[in-house]
Amino acid sequence: AQSVTQLDSHVSVSEGTPVLLRCNYSSSYSPSLFWYVQHPNKGLQLLLKYTSAATLVKGINGFEAEFKKSETSFHLTKPSAHMSDAAEYFCVVSEGVWGTASKLTFGTGTRLQVTL
Amino acid sequence: EAGVAQSPRYKIIEKRQSVAFWCNPISGHATLYWYQQILGQGPKLLIQFQNNGVVDDSQLPKDRFSAERLKGVDSTLKIQPAKLEDSAVYLCASSFPTTSGSRGGELFFGEGSRLTVL
Repeated sequence: AQSVTQLDSHVSVSEGTPVLLRCNYSSSYSPSLFWYVQHPNKGLQLLLKYTSAATLVKGINGFEAEFKKSETSFHLTKPSAHMSDAAEYFCVVSEGVWGTASKLTFGTGTRLQVTL
Repeated sequence: EAGVAQSPRYKIIEKRQSVAFWCNPISGHATLYWYQQILGQGPKLLIQFQNNGVVDDSQLPKDRFSAERLKGVDSTLKIQPAKLEDSAVYLCASSFPTTSGSRGGELFFGEGSRLTVL
């Protein structure tokens, strides 16, 4: 069975400072991992994904994440926060079988607050 | 490219009433998902379709929830009768199925249908 744990339910940073959102996963197989972002009253949007290629993954809006198998982690980072980054972020694990549709398991989310 | 369309965006009903939500996925996406997102929680998969067949409905409360995807395109999720705990946002998503040599396809989400049960 697969699962994902987001270690912080709420993170607050000042604009221009680094962002770190933490995620640990559990998976029986080599997983695919994703970060999705959800702005208020909007659908979820894919930020980035890891699918067993490079362990450092770059996404949209300056976000990146590093897959660390030894630590079973997939933390999301950004060097400098912007006010528009304020949103809910979800870490997601998938154990899709080759050739079939994926089954995703979502974390409980981390709300990122960005202050002036 | 048109995204995933959902309607209605908002619905308020009283308990024991029924409600239906509609989803139109991105053209060409064979896989369609319905998720339930309760306030303060991550989305939970209710049902997953591949074309018009059900792949996974293990977390669908079948005594009150039903879903169909006729002709492998649009889908409808119905709740009858609704309970207070059904208050949530119902998210529809679609994707291409993963193909040989790849895994973990990206899901494209609609904006959701927010249900309030009084």
